[in-house]
Amino acid sequence: DSGVTQTPKHLITATGQRVTLRCSPRSGDLSVYWYQQSLDQGLQFLIQYYNGEERAKGNILERFSAQQFPDLHSELNLSSLELGDSALYFCASSVGRGPYEQYFGPGTRLTVT
Amino acid sequence: AQSVTQPDIHITVSEGASLELRCNYSYGATPYLFWYVQSPGQGLQLLLKYFSGDTLVQGIKGFEAEFKRSQSSFNLRKPSVHWSDAAEYFCAVGDRQGAQKLVFGQGTRLTINP
Repeated sequence: DSGVTQTPKHLITATGQRVTLRCSPRSGDLSVYWYQQSLDQGLQFLIQYYNGEERAKGNILERFSAQQFPDLHSELNLSSLELGDSALYFCASSVGRGPYEQYFGPGTRLTVT
Repeated sequence: AQSVTQPDIHITVSEGASLELRCNYSYGATPYLFWYVQSPGQGLQLLLKYFSGDTLVQGIKGFEAEFKRSQSSFNLRKPSVHWSDAAEYFCAVGDRQGAQKLVFGQGTRLTINP
C-alpha cells in the first residue's frame, strides 16, 4: 500500500459524458501527478500540481482539467468523453517539487462505451 | 526530448534463474532513473531509484540496477527470480530540473516458468 488513494476504482460511462476522478496523496506529500495508461500510448504524464498550483503539463487534452484543493487532494475532470479516453488513470504523489520518487495509487479504470 | 527504451516487450525465465531487464534512455544530461513494477490490476510500486553516487543501487524484493553513463543504460537485475516476480516492469526517467514528470518506457512483461 503506497498510501495514495484513488476513487472510484472502476468507472463505466458513455461517450459525451463527464467524470471526476479523485486522488488523496500520501500524508505530507505536496505534489500530485496524474498519468494515463493505455495499451497504445503506454504511461503518459498528464499534469502536476504542487501545493495547490499547477506546476507542469504534459499530454493533457483540453477536454481534461485538474485541480488540487487546500487539503491537497486532487481531482481530474474528463469531459466530452470519447471511446479513446478509456484507460487506467493513475495519481502519484511526492514530497516536494522534485526530484523525489513518486508513489502511485491503485488507479481508476475508466471505460467509455 | 527525453525517451526511454525497453527493448524486450516480453521475457520468460524459469523460477530460480537470473534476470536482467534492459533499459536505455535518451536525455541531454544524467536524469533521475527509476524502476517500477506493476502486478496485474495493481498500481505501480517503486523498486529502486538512482539519483547520484554509487552506480549500483539496491532496491526492494532483491532487485538491483546499475547505471552506466557511457551506455545510457539502467538495467535491472535479480540473481534468482521467484514466481511472485511475474509482473510488468517499467523503467522511468525524471528531470533534474524543471518539471518532475516521469517518462516511462513501454514496459517489459515478465513471465516465470515453474
